Amino acid sequence: KAGVTQTPRYLIKTRGQQVTLSCSPISGHRSVSWYQQTPGQGLQFLFEYFSETQRNKGNFPGRFSGRQFSNSRSEMNVSTLELGDSALYLCASSPGRGTYNEQFFGPGTRLTVL
Amino acid sequence: SQQGEEDPQALSIQEGENATMNCSYKTSINNLQWYRQNSGRGLVHLILIRSNEREKHSGRLRVTLDTSKKSSSLLITASRAADTASYFCATSRPDKLIFGTGTRLQVFP
Repeated sequence: KAGVTQTPRYLIKTRGQQVTLSCSPISGHRSVSWYQQTPGQGLQFLFEYFSETQRNKGNFPGRFSGRQFSNSRSEMNVSTLELGDSALYLCASSPGRGTYNEQFFGPGTRLTVL
Repeated sequence: SQQGEEDPQALSIQEGENATMNCSYKTSINNLQWYRQNSGRGLVHLILIRSNEREKHSGRLRVTLDTSKKSSSLLITASRAADTASYFCATSRPDKLIFGTGTRLQVFP
């Protein structure tokens, strides 16, 4: 089975712009979660989608949003980018909801905001 | 905020030695998972231990869980240069994984 894929792998944007990141889960996995990783804050949960519905959301401003499509692929959008949004964004998929089982992570999208 | 705190923050050892990393957490959990990350890439799942388990093995990995002390440890035996990476514990709540601060392990040949 192919692993979790994320596109693009690298992205450079300027403050005020918006960005969309994409995640394709492992075939058959219905849950997709997103995490932000920064040197200062570490790995932080953004949100989880399951069956096209956002099930949980972390403590991030409304500028961070996402969606999931019927084929379980997910997109994450960040509007009005700030310098502090520079981070590695990781998505993870799992067969079922929640975190009772292992999460399969993609390679990440490294976003740099100038 | 992160729930898990890992200790030590960094660890340097020679190939063939054992490496032990510790993780402490604050609230009750469903399970605890350990992940490895190589140089800012994606995380790789290593092992999952459920709250009613005390010890689990997988190859050269041994994980223990003490729910009374809210702590876990990861032991890597006979380490190899390829084990060089950051290791994170993650506590499982029903809705999300909460990651620790991580331990950076350097294994010298």
